[in-house]
Amino acid sequence: GAVVSQHPSWVICKSGTSVKIECRSLDFQATTMFWYRQFPKQSLMLMATSNEGSKATYEQGVEKDKFLINHASLTLSTLTVTSAHPEDSSFYICSARGAGSNSYEQYFGPGTRLTVT
Amino acid sequence: DAKTTQPPSMDCAEGRAANLPCNHSTISGNEYVYWYRQIHSQGPQYIIHGLKNNETNEMASLIITEDRKSSTLILPHATLRDTAVYYCIARNGNTGKLIFGQGTTLQVKP
Repeated sequence: GAVVSQHPSWVICKSGTSVKIECRSLDFQATTMFWYRQFPKQSLMLMATSNEGSKATYEQGVEKDKFLINHASLTLSTLTVTSAHPEDSSFYICSARGAGSNSYEQYFGPGTRLTVT
Repeated sequence: DAKTTQPPSMDCAEGRAANLPCNHSTISGNEYVYWYRQIHSQGPQYIIHGLKNNETNEMASLIITEDRKSSTLILPHATLRDTAVYYCIARNGNTGKLIFGQGTTLQVKP
């Protein structure tokens, strides 16, 4: 299957700082990328959908000014957590979907664990 | 998006078949049934998907009832490495979103 990477795999930051997480599709062009958040012992929660070259669509209850998403190319999307607070500590996972005949499959990255102190 | 219902947990003996049920009674005609699994602290892994017909691949089989209101994922010979949380999802045919429920924690025991 296709490969999606995330960087960094884990990050610790101080409260009030911003953190950027990258999501890359390594061997296919991702027209759509999705960002999820997962708290311990809970399921994945969809945060937003981003299409290359256009603004992200956020799920209800997700602050777009706090979670900035950029999908500037067909292989890269970034999620920036601005002014992070301890309650933003979570496991952030991206997924990517290509175009064409394989567009029914979404491939997930390995996740980024964010800890805000 | 159709809601799916799965048992919270199941056990299976190593080497035996694991049958994981899923109810999706409100599924609409353009929603596919997808199965993913997540091993602790990793990203979800795609297993299989289907619309109406039963499907089989190298990992598993998917049996969908004729009325499409439920399905069963079958791992034919479970191994210890199959211990994971298994998610059954009705994928929105228009947006392509995958909305995860609580899933079934499958514990494969020696």
